[in-house]
Amino acid sequence: DVKVTQSSRYLVKRTGEKVFLECVQDMDHENMFWYRQDPGLGLRLIYFSYDVKMKEKGDIPEGYSVSREKKERFSLILESASTNQTSMYLCASSFGNNEKLFFGSGTQLSVL
Amino acid sequence: SQKIEQNSEALNIQEGKTATLTCNYTNYSPAYLQWYRQDPGRGPVFLLLIRENEKEKRKERLKVTFDTTLKQSLFHITASQPADSATYLCALWNYGQNFVFGPGTRLSVLP
Repeated sequence: DVKVTQSSRYLVKRTGEKVFLECVQDMDHENMFWYRQDPGLGLRLIYFSYDVKMKEKGDIPEGYSVSREKKERFSLILESASTNQTSMYLCASSFGNNEKLFFGSGTQLSVL
Repeated sequence: SQKIEQNSEALNIQEGKTATLTCNYTNYSPAYLQWYRQDPGRGPVFLLLIRENEKEKRKERLKVTFDTTLKQSLFHITASQPADSATYLCALWNYGQNFVFGPGTRLSVLP
């Protein structure tokens, strides 16, 4: 069964901390994505990657960076966490550009 | 400006009835439209994809329509069950872009 695994279900951090969210997929997918989901706003794309060491900004990249050193792993980095980054973070992968997305279970991040 | 709207934030229906969820979009020309189901505390799960040249797609109790003139997709669940209660998301894909998601509709099927 295909799987996208996010390292933490719940995370509590303090303002100013550097935060790493890890995502691993076992489907050999080329494309990986990071979204955040907030009530009433839906899923918003933060960053995506179509290949190893490649990254592209999504709709709301400010305050975030990403790393994709290996095909199966895509990391989201909050350089200096702020309270407005409290959110549900969802990682997804897909085989092709218009293919269905496979999502992880999400990480609920609280920044205090 | 570009916008995706789903008919209502929440929809309650009686078990056994057909649930109809709406996805409307403005200033997009999607080549594909997808529907996902999301349960509380979980990531979305893909349900159906429909292409711009397709009018209708079915999968078991699910049916999706896509009207590019009205800029609308309808998602139907027939013979609804309490287990169908979840949030349903529509997502559009434009050529050269990524998927864009609607805000979702929370469906509650009452026994």
